[in-house]
Amino acid sequence: AQSVTQLDSHVSVSEGTPVLLRCNYSSSYSPSLFWYVQHPNKGLQLLLKYTSAATLVKGINGFEAEFKKSETSFHLTKPSAHMSDAAEYFCVVTIGGGGSQGNLIFGKGTKLSVKP
Amino acid sequence: GAGVSQSPRYKVAKRGQDVALRCDPISGHVSLFWYQQALGQGPEFLTYFQNEAQLDKSGLPSDRFFAERPEGSVSTLKIQRTQQEDSAVYLCASSLTVWSTQYFGPGTRLLVL
Repeated sequence: AQSVTQLDSHVSVSEGTPVLLRCNYSSSYSPSLFWYVQHPNKGLQLLLKYTSAATLVKGINGFEAEFKKSETSFHLTKPSAHMSDAAEYFCVVTIGGGGSQGNLIFGKGTKLSVKP
Repeated sequence: GAGVSQSPRYKVAKRGQDVALRCDPISGHVSLFWYQQALGQGPEFLTYFQNEAQLDKSGLPSDRFFAERPEGSVSTLKIQRTQQEDSAVYLCASSLTVWSTQYFGPGTRLLVL
């Protein structure tokens, strides 16, 4: 069975400092992995996806994530936080390979706060 | 607008009432998904349609939950005899195909008193 564990329920950073949101996955298959962001009163938005073409994945708004099979991790990073990055972030896994979706299995989420 | 829309955005129901939540997917999207997001949790899969066919309803928590998509476009999630544990945000997502990127609506926040 597929699952994801987000290691931090809440991360707080200062504006301009790096962001690290941690995610570990469990999958019987070669997984497809995604990060979604949820701003208050807005729909979930896809940040980036792992398609197995490259282990370092670049997404929107300067975010990137690195797939590490040996560590079963897919951590999300950004070099410099912006106030507008404050939101809830979800790590997601599916059984579809190559970046395909289908039924999405979400982690519990990490709330990112950005201090001025 | 070109996105997924949901209505109502907020719904307060008394315990035991029936509710109906509507989802308007992106035009032309074949696949439609419903998820339930409890407070402080990630969304959880409820059910999935391909056109008008409900191909997977394994996530529906009880037989009080019923979903339909009769013409392969708009979908309705109905909850009968609501209970307090049904309080959650109900999210709808649509995609071009079942394996394509899902686009989410803003959700309907249901509060059962």
